[in-house]
Amino acid sequence: RKEVEQDPGPFNVPEGATVAFNCTYSNSASQSFFWYRQDCRKEPKLLMSVYSSGNEDGRFTAQLNRASQYISLLIRDSKLSDSATYLCVVTTSGGSYIPTFGRGTSLIVHP
Amino acid sequence: EPEVTQTPSHQVTQMGQEVILRCVPISNHLYFYWYRQILGQKVEFLVSFYNNEISEKSEIFDDQFSVERPDGSNFTLKIRSTKLEDSAMYFCAIGTGGYNEQFFGPGTRLTVL
Repeated sequence: RKEVEQDPGPFNVPEGATVAFNCTYSNSASQSFFWYRQDCRKEPKLLMSVYSSGNEDGRFTAQLNRASQYISLLIRDSKLSDSATYLCVVTTSGGSYIPTFGRGTSLIVHP
Repeated sequence: EPEVTQTPSHQVTQMGQEVILRCVPISNHLYFYWYRQILGQKVEFLVSFYNNEISEKSEIFDDQFSVERPDGSNFTLKIRSTKLEDSAMYFCAIGTGGYNEQFFGPGTRLTVL
């Protein structure tokens, strides 16, 4: 069965901490990888795409390990506003893109 | 970032009734998607729509569901005979093609009584 697995957390960290999430996927034919964040009862918002070479955007760094079939997200210098659920999304292509979402990892940043 | 609006924001309906959920992308796009998220659960892919045709659909997207782009701008999801288990948030998304980043609308909360 093709799945995307995430530790649901919650990860409870103080402001300024560094926190890392992993996500594993089972379909080796997966082609596109993303991290989205979702605030409570809101829509998912694209945080960053994850390329084979990795991706960095300010305090956020994402890595892809195709051999071990996982992607990671590192958040440095956590802010209170980073509190959210982080969704791992993996897309396979079978003529069109079919995204599979993980259940998400909950992050709580406290003062 | 592309913008997407959805209407209504909340729809309450009786079991067995038909509902139509609407999605309006602000700019022209070719790739459209519908997802649902049952409260407390993960986002689930329903259907993708490319160049005015369904390109992929999940096992959730059965004969009860249909999608249309009736006037070239609005993109609708119709649920023909709603069941209690259809209660969920329904998100529309537009895709950029290429690496396929997707941008979501704010969602419609469907409550089936």
